[in-house]
Amino acid sequence: DQQVKQNSPSLSVQEGRISILNCDYTNSMFDYFLWYKKYPAEGPTFLISISSIKDKNEDGRFTVFLNKSAKHLSLHIVPSQPGDSAVYFCAAGETGRRALTFGSGTRLQVQP
Amino acid sequence: NAGVTQTPKFRVLKTGQSMTLLCAQDMNHEYMYWYRQDPGMGLRLIHYSVGEGTTAKGEVPDGYNVSRLKKQNFLLGLESAAPSQTSVYFCASSLAELGQFFGPGTRLTVL
Repeated sequence: DQQVKQNSPSLSVQEGRISILNCDYTNSMFDYFLWYKKYPAEGPTFLISISSIKDKNEDGRFTVFLNKSAKHLSLHIVPSQPGDSAVYFCAAGETGRRALTFGSGTRLQVQP
Repeated sequence: NAGVTQTPKFRVLKTGQSMTLLCAQDMNHEYMYWYRQDPGMGLRLIHYSVGEGTTAKGEVPDGYNVSRLKKQNFLLGLESAAPSQTSVYFCASSLAELGQFFGPGTRLTVL
């Protein structure tokens, strides 16, 4: 049973437009969430995180929104650039437990 | 700083063979992790360590063993490889719970 789900395996957007990647979770004990970006043949790299006490966190072109009641978070990339083309993983964690639970990833393709 | 490095990058094994994957980090991180990534399943935690000399089981520990004899190294062992262990293996380290730094991965094929 997947506790973190990314239901869209892929997403294609035009350069300059907004990319919205979605993630749903089922475990109400999760209290922090992260997004990782992964290029082919490389390890995932940390992108942005959000604590459950917030509903929004922004870092440059990247914004993560958290809706705790819906157990849903999303990553917005504005404006999208071709270099953003990668696989994006959503991850969730619970304070006190060392492990992160990852979603299956969404492949983003930004068309020039 | 090299960050997190993994050795080897690629390996092909026959069923029943054994091997050890090495992870090294130079960031003085306490926590280290081993994940496997399979198509459509994201990253799943195999084992982790919260400090030198300690290890703990993750989500999918069966068929693997680990050791953390030195703070900077975390070894993942396969005693008797099976085709189901064909995967890409990622090591990660972190200072605290947030912000895990990942290595480049090891692609393992078991025939």
